[in-house]
Amino acid sequence: GAGVSQSPSNKVTEKGKDVELRCDPISGHTALYWYRQSLGQGLEFLIYFQGNSAPDKSGLPSDRFSAERTGGSVSTLTIQRTQQEDSAVYLCASSPNSWERSTDTQYFGPGTRLTVL
Amino acid sequence: GQQVMQIPQYQHVQEGEDFTTYCNSSTTLSNIQWYKQRPGGHPVFLIQLVKSGEVKKQKRLTFQFGEAKKNSSLHITATQTTDVGTYFCAGSRGSWGKLQFGAGTQVVVTP
Repeated sequence: GAGVSQSPSNKVTEKGKDVELRCDPISGHTALYWYRQSLGQGLEFLIYFQGNSAPDKSGLPSDRFSAERTGGSVSTLTIQRTQQEDSAVYLCASSPNSWERSTDTQYFGPGTRLTVL
Repeated sequence: GQQVMQIPQYQHVQEGEDFTTYCNSSTTLSNIQWYKQRPGGHPVFLIQLVKSGEVKKQKRLTFQFGEAKKNSSLHITATQTTDVGTYFCAGSRGSWGKLQFGAGTQVVVTP
């Protein structure tokens, strides 16, 4: 079966431009997560979706970052006016059940490597 | 807030040797998960521990959850080159689904 997919796999942009990163979770997975991983670093939580709603946006670094999820499936992470410090790998993960089930495994996508010049 | 710390940050191991990486939380966890990320890859789930004092084994990997549910360890015996990668622990404080990831232990294996 298909896993979590993300697009594009690589994105190079110029400082100040907006970018959109896409995540297709595993079909039927209710929960969706966005993380950011800088080179050689751990995973930084950005935002969590339960269905189409986002109960926790606490990890978004600034108001330049936003995300949405439509139809309980695909999610888009948008970064406006990109800065060089936004350069990182953006990982998406999904899990089967409600956010109340913290014991769910998270299935990660391959990530989008964003480079801001 | 909840903090999950991993030590060491970096581990250089000779093939065939054993090593242990540790995960410590500032708060009691409801469960802890371990993930492995190969170089250039994405994190892949290894195992989950839920019970106090729980020990689980996967071939040469032994995972342990502390009695107080504040720490965990991953012990690898007879390290192989396939063990190369970064091992992350991730804990959750309650029934809420947010996992707090540690910074990871990067493992390098030399033949």
